[in-house]
Amino acid sequence: EAGVAQSPRYKIIEKRQSVAFWCNPISGHATLYWYQQILGQGPKLLIQFQNNGVVDDSQLPKDRFSAERLKGVDSTLKIQPAKLEDSAVYLCASSLAGSFNYEQYFGPGTRLTVT
Amino acid sequence: GNSVTQMEGPVTLSEEAFLTINCTYTATGYPSLFWYVQYPGEGLQLLLKATKADDKGSNKDFEATYRKETTSFHLEKGSVQVSDSAVYFCALSDKAAGNKLTFGGGTRVLVKP
Repeated sequence: EAGVAQSPRYKIIEKRQSVAFWCNPISGHATLYWYQQILGQGPKLLIQFQNNGVVDDSQLPKDRFSAERLKGVDSTLKIQPAKLEDSAVYLCASSLAGSFNYEQYFGPGTRLTVT
Repeated sequence: GNSVTQMEGPVTLSEEAFLTINCTYTATGYPSLFWYVQYPGEGLQLLLKATKADDKGSNKDFEATYRKETTSFHLEKGSVQVSDSAVYFCALSDKAAGNKLTFGGGTRVLVKP
């Protein structure tokens, strides 16, 4: 079974530029998550989708971050404009459903460096 | 709100040594508890979990017991191998908070031959 795919794996941009990350979850997984992991910290949930609807985006900085999950499969996370403090690893995860009974499977992440 | 605190690393051990990583939590409801592991160059993987008080999660000779009275979920392994070198994350999922995962800061473990 293919795992969660993310691209790109690495990205370096200057502050005030825009960037987008892509995630392809495990086939059949209804729930998709985006996490931000700052160096030396644990992952922090940014947004959770159930199919193509948003379940939780309470920690998403909506003035600069946006995410979508068209057709309930792939998802993109965008930052516009980027700030220095956005430097982090962005992790995508998916699960069959949103309950804790269903394991979250994580992708390898995209490491973003903002200079 | 919910939070997870785990011991800071790095923890450096010799092969066959005993490993303990402390984890304590604060939650408004009755959480499920997890340990995730991140091997070098790989994504996070679920190592074990426990869903109620006094449950013991175990996998790959790792184990952790859900202790409600001390709000702890310490990870232990009796004899570590070089291949156990990784970053370990304690996490909780609370139904009152929509089942999202709240992670600790991670503990890097380095096992030397």
